[in-house]
Amino acid sequence: EAQVTQNPRYLITVTGKKLTVTCSQNMNHEYMSWYRQDPGLGLRQIYYSMNVEVTDKGDVPEGYKVSRKEKRNFPLILESPSPNQTSLYFCASWSGMTGNTIYFGEGSWLTVV
Amino acid sequence: TQLLEQSPQFLSIQEGENLTVYCNSSSVFSSLQWYRQEPGEGPVLLVTVVTGGEVKKLKRLTFQFGDARKDSSLHITAAQPGDTGLYLCAGPHFNDYKLSFGAGTTVTVRA
Repeated sequence: EAQVTQNPRYLITVTGKKLTVTCSQNMNHEYMSWYRQDPGLGLRQIYYSMNVEVTDKGDVPEGYKVSRKEKRNFPLILESPSPNQTSLYFCASWSGMTGNTIYFGEGSWLTVV
Repeated sequence: TQLLEQSPQFLSIQEGENLTVYCNSSSVFSSLQWYRQEPGEGPVLLVTVVTGGEVKKLKRLTFQFGDARKDSSLHITAAQPGDTGLYLCAGPHFNDYKLSFGAGTTVTVRA
């Protein structure tokens, strides 16, 4: 079954405590991306990756890091989380071919206090 | 600034009425997708349109891709309360594969 798996699904953390949200896909997709979703702003792209070791900034990359050491994994790293990073985060993967489905993870609710 | 502009942002209608949601851009897209999202869940794909001028129907939902591949619309006929949700359009840019999403249209269908 095609799947994008994110962990953790829910997390409450304190300001400044480094955290990592993992993302894994089982479809051998080249393209992966992280989004955050905030009320009234829709889904905004944080970072994306077109292949192993190839990453680029999206629209809101400040305060985030990513890595793509293997094709299946694309972790999102918050080195020093702040309250304005409280949000719902989605990982997505896609083959990169025109018209192919974008697969989303179930989302990770992150609260920074 | 969103690359894909959706309108309206909110739509509240009575059961049985029709509605249309628009997704517009100044950029060309190789394809556009429409998603529906329930609160607390990830977006679920409804349809992908690929060819300029394409029209796809999914039961009471009709999707159209503009001839120039810069815009799309979603039309729901005889809306039902089960159609309530956040509708998002999304697509890769024509010259690269950076995915963009519209801000979404929140549709509420009252019984």
